[in-house]
Amino acid sequence: EDKVVQSPLSLVVHEGDTVTLNCSYEVTNFRSLLWYKQEKKAPTFLFMLTSSGIEKKSGRLSSILDKKELFSILNITATQTGDSAIYLCANMNRDDKIIFGKGTRLHILP
Amino acid sequence: NAGVTQTPKFQVLKTGQSMTLQCAQDMNHEYMSWYRQDPGMGLRLIHYSVGAGITDQGEVPNGYNVSRSTTEDFPLRLLSAAPSQTSVYFCASRRGSLNTGELFFGEGSRLTVL
Repeated sequence: EDKVVQSPLSLVVHEGDTVTLNCSYEVTNFRSLLWYKQEKKAPTFLFMLTSSGIEKKSGRLSSILDKKELFSILNITATQTGDSAIYLCANMNRDDKIIFGKGTRLHILP
Repeated sequence: NAGVTQTPKFQVLKTGQSMTLQCAQDMNHEYMSWYRQDPGMGLRLIHYSVGAGITDQGEVPNGYNVSRSTTEDFPLRLLSAAPSQTSVYFCASRRGSLNTGELFFGEGSRLTVL
């Protein structure tokens, strides 16, 4: 059974801190690893990772995939209060099935 | 600029009633899916479709039916609602190409079953 496990489930840090969110997975027929951010309503897409060791970057957010160890990390540097959200990791397999983890609830204190 | 449209946004049902959550997208996306979101549980896949006429079960399909007669529409049917189906439901679509994992979500439908 496909599985995506995120840690920690909840995290509180101060503005300016750097955070690392973790995602491990067990998936048959792996295609790609996805990261989403969810604020008040629907999730919005951040990254898609397909190859090991290649960092994807967007502003203060970056992510990398390790296909040998079956995990990914999402880093956020110089956090701001606007980064407070639920961060969701998901896995897409070759049958186009996309399974999400439970998410990490991140709260940034001013 | 409609994107993915879900209706209704809110619904209250009594146990045993049936209803259909509607989902329509105007982006000509091949792939459509339904998720439910409960507190602390992330998004759980109910059913998905890779094209018109094709549907498949996700992680939590029991109690839900779907059909995909057109590319645009992917309704979710609850045949006999149960309190355990109280949740927020999201419909999502994406292009079927290999090069994107970006799901476009509707605004969600909050369902309460009494």
